[in-house]
Amino acid sequence: QVQLVQSGAEVKKPGASVKVSCKASGYSFTGNYIHWVRQAPGQGLEWMGWVNPHSGDTNYAQKFQGRVTMTRDTSISTAHMELRRLRSDDTAIYYCAREVVTSVTGVFDSWGRGTLVTVSS
Amino acid sequence: DIQLTQSPSFLSASVGDRVTITCRASQGTGTDLAWYQQKPGKAPNLLIYAASTLQSGVPSRFSGSGSGTEFTLTISSLQPEDFAVYYCQRLNSYPLTFGGGTKVEIK
Repeated sequence: QVQLVQSGAEVKKPGASVKVSCKASGYSFTGNYIHWVRQAPGQGLEWMGWVNPHSGDTNYAQKFQGRVTMTRDTSISTAHMELRRLRSDDTAIYYCAREVVTSVTGVFDSWGRGTLVTVSS
Repeated sequence: DIQLTQSPSFLSASVGDRVTITCRASQGTGTDLAWYQQKPGKAPNLLIYAASTLQSGVPSRFSGSGSGTEFTLTISSLQPEDFAVYYCQRLNSYPLTFGGGTKVEIK
């Protein structure tokens, strides 16, 4: 079955960077885009961007342009999301999600369990 | 960017009730909308996409309808496992956006 296994929780200081990983299994990794979505404590969902595991192409939400980098390593079926210059309001659970191949884009049929990133001095 | 507004933001209902949640878009979006369910401490789970297509494995008591700027998620007979937060999501256009969520609690 499809599984997305994310790396563990992180605690970072303001101004630092964090890199979260998402290891895929149970399907062909290069066949589906991987998206990243975050959720601040008690808040809603916020889309950050995607990486195409086949080509490495990316598309980021404007809010995160210049601060986020999404990459992939096809040899280990893993996607990564790095967020730089962290602020306290970046404290959130970061999810990776697989986009299902359908006639519409942006449908997420499988999600990782989430990685809590806490930014605190 | 297209904004999605869900109503109500909170609702209290009993097991067996018919529940309807509305998602309104700031601009017409055709049928480019999905619905997710999120339980505490868990990742969201896809229920419906393209406004009315039921995701495989999702119980048939869930249904979606609408087009343009107004969409609804209906649970025909609320079950104990349905108490959760529900989100709508814009599809097919970036940035992908989510509604603010509707929390369904036990009356």
